[in-house]
Amino acid sequence: GNSVTQMEGPVTLSEEAFLTINCTYTATGYPSLFWYVQYPGEGLQLLLKATKADDKGSNKGFEATYRKETTSFHLEKGSVQVSDSAVYFCALTDNQGGKLIFGQGTELSVKP
Amino acid sequence: ETGVTQTPRHLVMGMTNKKSLKCEQHLGHNAMYWYKQSAKKPLELMFVYNFKEQTENNSVPSRFSPECPNSSHLFLHLHTLQPEDSALYLCASSQDLGAGGYGYTFGSGTRLTVV
Repeated sequence: GNSVTQMEGPVTLSEEAFLTINCTYTATGYPSLFWYVQYPGEGLQLLLKATKADDKGSNKGFEATYRKETTSFHLEKGSVQVSDSAVYFCALTDNQGGKLIFGQGTELSVKP
Repeated sequence: ETGVTQTPRHLVMGMTNKKSLKCEQHLGHNAMYWYKQSAKKPLELMFVYNFKEQTENNSVPSRFSPECPNSSHLFLHLHTLQPEDSALYLCASSQDLGAGGYGYTFGSGTRLTVV
């Protein structure tokens, strides 16, 4: 079945550091891929998405590229801020009527 | 404001109480979902509704009773809960049952504490 695997957290970085959160997936066909962010005390918000191979999703300085050859969708940001501290979820859907499948989430903590 | 509104934001209830969580969306979506998010655990999908009909119940205890009177509203009725039911309960919606390239829209959640 379809699944998503994210790197274990928590990830702790200093402000202005480079961020990578790894995400790999298993899916049949051609899934759509998503990153959601959950700030403390809030629900999940869609951060970015990509719907086909080689697409790059981007938003708020975050980027992720849909790599079919490596079945990956790693999240990157060149310079993190304290306000980026949150839990990040990678997710996929199979585009065939299937549900959204989430990874376990990766907690990011950015220190001043 | 995400388009999906959950009330209340916080709820403290005793184990013998009966309470309800409410979720409302006016996005024109046809599918709605309840998730449970406990500390240090992955998101747990509880129930799925499509055009008001329940399509999925993931072995949720009967002390949780969902209700979907129309495609815009979803309730979760709670009774005789246990302390381990304390969690953040998230509601989500999507255009159709399959998320496709659009994903889900989430509410801000209800933080439930059972005492």
